[in-house]
Amino acid sequence: DTGVSQDPRHKITKRGQNVTFRCDPISEHNRLYWYRQTLGQGPEFLTYFQNEAQLEKSRLLSDRFSAERPKGSFSTLEIQRTEQGDSAMYLCASSLDTGGAVRYFGPGTRLTVT
Amino acid sequence: SQQGEEDPQALSIQEGENATMNCSYKTSINNLQWYRQNSGRGLVHLILIRSNEREKHSGRLRVTLDTSKKSSSLLITASRAADTASYFCATDAGGGSNYKLTFGKGTLLTVNP
Repeated sequence: DTGVSQDPRHKITKRGQNVTFRCDPISEHNRLYWYRQTLGQGPEFLTYFQNEAQLEKSRLLSDRFSAERPKGSFSTLEIQRTEQGDSAMYLCASSLDTGGAVRYFGPGTRLTVT
Repeated sequence: SQQGEEDPQALSIQEGENATMNCSYKTSINNLQWYRQNSGRGLVHLILIRSNEREKHSGRLRVTLDTSKKSSSLLITASRAADTASYFCATDAGGGSNYKLTFGKGTLLTVNP
């Protein structure tokens, strides 16, 4: 299967702990995106990479959040000092390096902060 | 912020019936995309319509776009139980924001067998 993969699929953590999620995009896709989705809402844009460069970050991405994409391959999203409000589905997507391109989404990581 | 707003929020129909979902948006777009999400899973792209197109078909899907009204509709014909999912429209503003796909809140479609 050459689709977008995410790991882990589920994460339960206690408030105040740090968590890290991983996304492996489709190999030929230069662009990689992170979205957050809460219950009953559509996905909200968090950040995006073109190759290894992080080119845009949403205001939703507080300083407790950091994302990396070393060598333009997989990406990680880390949340430090988690809060209950961070509970959500974190979706990763990738696309070709063209405007208006179709996004290919991974299955998501569901984070529950207790 | 959510750019698109889908209507209705929820729709329940019988297998074999057609389902129509509407999407309204606020700003100029380069293209509009529809995605499907099965319960608790990632999103799957269904169809993309560009701002200079008015109608597009793909299998049992028909999408229309009216840029003067800033609205789009998704029609699923001859629905099946497997079409049960949430459907989202997403707008691409293009230009300097061509990285950002902005999603609506979605329409939850239930197709009863």
